[in-house]
Amino acid sequence: GQSLEQPSEVTAVEGAIVQINCTYQTSGFYGLSWYQQHDGGAPTFLSYNALDGLEETGRFSSFLSRSDSYGYLLLQELQMKDSASYFCAVGSYQLTFGKGTKLSVIP
Amino acid sequence: DTGVSQDPRHKITKRGQNVTFRCDPISEHNRLYWYRQTLGQGPEFLTYFQNEAQLEKSRLLSDRFSAERPKGSFSTLEIQRTEQGDSAMYLCASSPRDFAFFGQGTRLTVV
Repeated sequence: GQSLEQPSEVTAVEGAIVQINCTYQTSGFYGLSWYQQHDGGAPTFLSYNALDGLEETGRFSSFLSRSDSYGYLLLQELQMKDSASYFCAVGSYQLTFGKGTKLSVIP
Repeated sequence: DTGVSQDPRHKITKRGQNVTFRCDPISEHNRLYWYRQTLGQGPEFLTYFQNEAQLEKSRLLSDRFSAERPKGSFSTLEIQRTEQGDSAMYLCASSPRDFAFFGQGTRLTVV
């Protein structure tokens, strides 16, 4: 089976940097992906790491360490619109999601 | 728009009725997933198709739920004899690899 752990809530100031961690347990590793979901909306794909290291996409970066079964999502230059829930996910045929981290960006 | 499309966006049904949802994935994606999501929770895996083959199905999925993907194109999810506990957002996603692009979901309310 697969399981993921991420913090339930994070609060950060507009303009700052925030890191959302994700640890996972899986029998076979196929990559770690990240999603953003605003209230009332559907999840939106943000990034995917199949190999160790950092992937950068604009203000968002994602990191993976397969030896530590750990990854994180880094959001820079936070904006109010970044307030949302963020999910990490692992798997292939059964792509399993964490319970999500609710990020609140405050002025 | 070439994203994942779901229909209907909202469905209200009486307990005991059957409902069917449709998903049109991104055309070049051979992988298709169905998920269920309730408030404050992450998406819960229901089933997975690779082309027309249903390769994985959640053990938590009741026999009242069935999904098809004829010819490896669109997919349908049917819930028979709906119960109030089936009220949730049903999400479809498609993918070329081990991540997912989601549709906007179908919000089901069972009254």
